[in-house]
Amino acid sequence: DTGVSQDPRHKITKRGQNVTFRCDPISEHNRLYWYRQTLGQGPEFLTYFQNEAQLEKSRLLSDRFSAERPKGSFSTLEIQRTEQGDSAMYLCASSPGTKKQETQYFGPGTRLLVL
Amino acid sequence: AQTVTQSQPEMSVQEAETVTLSCTYDTSENNYYLFWYKQPPSRQMILVIRQEAYKQQNATENRFSVNFQKAAKSFSLKISDSQLGDTAMYFCAFEARGGSEKLVFGKGTKLTVNP
Repeated sequence: DTGVSQDPRHKITKRGQNVTFRCDPISEHNRLYWYRQTLGQGPEFLTYFQNEAQLEKSRLLSDRFSAERPKGSFSTLEIQRTEQGDSAMYLCASSPGTKKQETQYFGPGTRLLVL
Repeated sequence: AQTVTQSQPEMSVQEAETVTLSCTYDTSENNYYLFWYKQPPSRQMILVIRQEAYKQQNATENRFSVNFQKAAKSFSLKISDSQLGDTAMYFCAFEARGGSEKLVFGKGTKLTVNP
């Protein structure tokens, strides 16, 4: 098991472009989370999946943001019409979802810079 | 809504000495977990230690221990015998059990261990 992986690790885009990030959770982890971390701040919750179902979305997740987890395995986070304020580190985390041990394991993040 | 406050933006300690990082939180929940995560420079976030709110005994992991004061809603992290590899951002996080179990983070404390 190689842990949570995210791709790409870095993304530079121009304002108005669409970007998509991918997260591969730890195998057999049912829960998957997306967080956003801006400079000098702690991560902030964006959205959460239990298997393929998206069960909670933060108010931070505007209608330009969409996340999917089509088969309950990997997840994608898409930002449409990017704005400079979207520049941040986007973190993915997964947890077993077994009620016995719910520690979230984080990926390395995707750092987005919108010019 | 839960909030987590870390009042020390930066701290430094000499190698081999002991340092304590502060964290307070606000919640009306009774069933929750508290965590300390470590984020080394340009590396991914990893779990340092976790505390279950219903357990009175303070959690310990090798050189890391916590002082959990439930009534005061305080959750400090003590690092003993500090090592250069402990240099990192440290985030205190709260997780209410049930529901999404998303993490609510503080703003972090930047710890520098000096040789």
